[in-house]
Amino acid sequence: AQTVTQSQPEMSVQEAETVTLSCTYDTSESDYYLFWYKQPPSRQMILVIRQEAYKQQNATENRFSVNFQKAAKSFSLKISDSQLGDAAMYFCAPGLKLTFGKGTLLTVNP
Amino acid sequence: GAGVSQSPRYKVAKRGQDVALRCDPISGHVSLFWYQQALGQGPEFLTYFQNEAQLDKSGLPSDRFFAERPEGSVSTLKIQRTQQEDSAVYLCASSLEADVNTEAFFGQGTRLTVV
Repeated sequence: AQTVTQSQPEMSVQEAETVTLSCTYDTSESDYYLFWYKQPPSRQMILVIRQEAYKQQNATENRFSVNFQKAAKSFSLKISDSQLGDAAMYFCAPGLKLTFGKGTLLTVNP
Repeated sequence: GAGVSQSPRYKVAKRGQDVALRCDPISGHVSLFWYQQALGQGPEFLTYFQNEAQLDKSGLPSDRFFAERPEGSVSTLKIQRTQQEDSAVYLCASSLEADVNTEAFFGQGTRLTVV
């Protein structure tokens, strides 16, 4: 079984600043991927970034990067130069069959 | 179409009624997932198909829930004798490969309200 903990129900950030969303998980799998998905009010989940667990190098996708600590089972998302369009629910999902956390609601203040 | 399409977008059902929710995945996608998302919660895995084979249905909450994908493309999630606790958004996702760790593309979901 997999469990996912997103300890920050809500976060806010000023436009152009940096914010980090935390995620810890537990899995019995040895080889897996981890995902951060974004869900705007339109409800459509959009992939933000993906990390392969066997890779030590942290994934980066433009303004989005992760801090993956495999031993600690921690997978945080850093958003740099935050934009108004980044406002959404963010879900962490580790491993097989995408068990999602409860999400973090990110507000971006102009 | 270019993305995953779900229909209807909204469904209101009377308690005890049967409902069928449809998912049209991206053409050629092998894997298909169904999720249930209650208000203010993250999506909960329901079931997973690889082509027409239902490889995992461990997340289906009761035997009132049934999913099929008979030709390996369109999938239907059926809920019999709906109850109020079934009210949620039902999300469908598909991915290109059989490996469940490849990127999944989501539809906009069907919001089911049981009254």
